[in-house]
This record gives sequence, C-alpha cells and structure tokens, in this order.
Amino acid sequence: DQQVKQNSPSLSVQEGRISILNCDYTNSMFDYFLWYKKYPAEGPTFLISISSIKDKNEDGRFTVFLNKSAKHLSLHIVPSQPGDSAVYFCAASRFRSNDYKLSFGAGTTVTVRA
Amino acid sequence: DAGITQSPRHKVTETGTPVTLRCHQTENHRYMYWYRQDPGHGLRLIHYSYGVKDTDKGEVSDGYSVSRSKTEDFLLTLESATSSQTSVYFCAISGREFQSSGANVLTFGAGSRLTVL
Repeated sequence: DQQVKQNSPSLSVQEGRISILNCDYTNSMFDYFLWYKKYPAEGPTFLISISSIKDKNEDGRFTVFLNKSAKHLSLHIVPSQPGDSAVYFCAASRFRSNDYKLSFGAGTTVTVRA
Repeated sequence: DAGITQSPRHKVTETGTPVTLRCHQTENHRYMYWYRQDPGHGLRLIHYSYGVKDTDKGEVSDGYSVSRSKTEDFLLTLESATSSQTSVYFCAISGREFQSSGANVLTFGAGSRLTVL
C-alpha cells in the first residue's frame, strides 16, 4: 500500500505563473518530507525538504508547505519557468528507522507553457 | 551524478535469462539503494544495503537479489527475468548528509533501462 500519494499525474502551467503540486501521506511516523525533480533519461535530483515540526520551508522560487494534521504537503513554484518542466516526486522518511530509505509518490509531470 | 555510475545503461533481454545491474560509487558512502520506476507507481524500493555484506529487502523485492562485497559496488540480480521486471532501475547512495531541515538526502544515479521480451 503506497504511503505517499500524488493524485495529480500532470499539471500544465503558463510561464511566470504559480505551479502548485500536492502530496498526501498516510504514515504519521514520517519525520521528513522531500521533493525531487526528474528530467527524462536522468536520475531524480533533490529539490527541497521540510521537517515534520515545521509548516513551511522556502528556497528561492520553491516553497514547501506542510499540514501535519491533514497529512498533506504542497510544493509551490513561483514564478514557473520552462526549465521547471519535469516530473516531481514527493518523498518521505522516518529518521528513527536508521536506514534512511525514502518512500516516494507516483510523481506529477509539470509542463510549463511559454 | 555525484560519483555514481550505473551499468549497463540500457539492456534488452529475454524472459528467463539472468540479468545483473551494477552500481558503482566513488563517495565511500555506507548506504546504497536500488529503486525501480514505473508509470503510476513512482519509485519503489527493491533492496538496500547499510554496509558491506549487510542488505535488507524493500517493498518490491520478490524476484530480485543483491550483493555488496565492497563499499563501492552494489549489484542487483534478476535470477530469471520476467516481463513484469521491465522497468527503469535507479541506484541511490546516502552518506547521512543532512539538510538544514534534518532530512537525509539520497543521491541517484542516471538509471538503467531494462526491457524483458
């Protein structure tokens, strides 16, 4: 059973506008949440992360929001640029598991239109 | 790719044949992982290693085995490949380098695309 879910397979947004990607999780034991970005024929690369004790983390154009009570997080990209067209994966981990493995969602394909 | 090399990058094989994918790292990291990526499923953990000769199963380990005889190499073996194992396989490493958030980031290789006919 997938513990991290991304229910929107795709998102199309105009250049310069905001992209909002959503992610839900079921395991309340997750301590950290991460977003990865993946271009075709490349491996996923780390984008931004947040601890479960925070509700917001910002890094340049990227902001992640966490609503722990709703088990929901979102990634905001403002403004969206053509180079942001990629697949975005939400991931989660448990610090105390000592194996540092990540559980991933199914991914959301973002297309930024010129 | 941060010192991670996967080989082969592409492979086509027939059902029932054995296949071995290799992950080689130059970062001297303790933790290594094998994931597979499939449409609608994202990335799913197959096996992982937390040291030489120390491995454990992930969520989709059936039909796969792994070995780690050296810190730098983590091998994924399909003893008898099936069409359901057609996928893109990613190796990842972790050196327990924590972000300011406290999160531990996995660094991924470029992937190995396997097609089983």
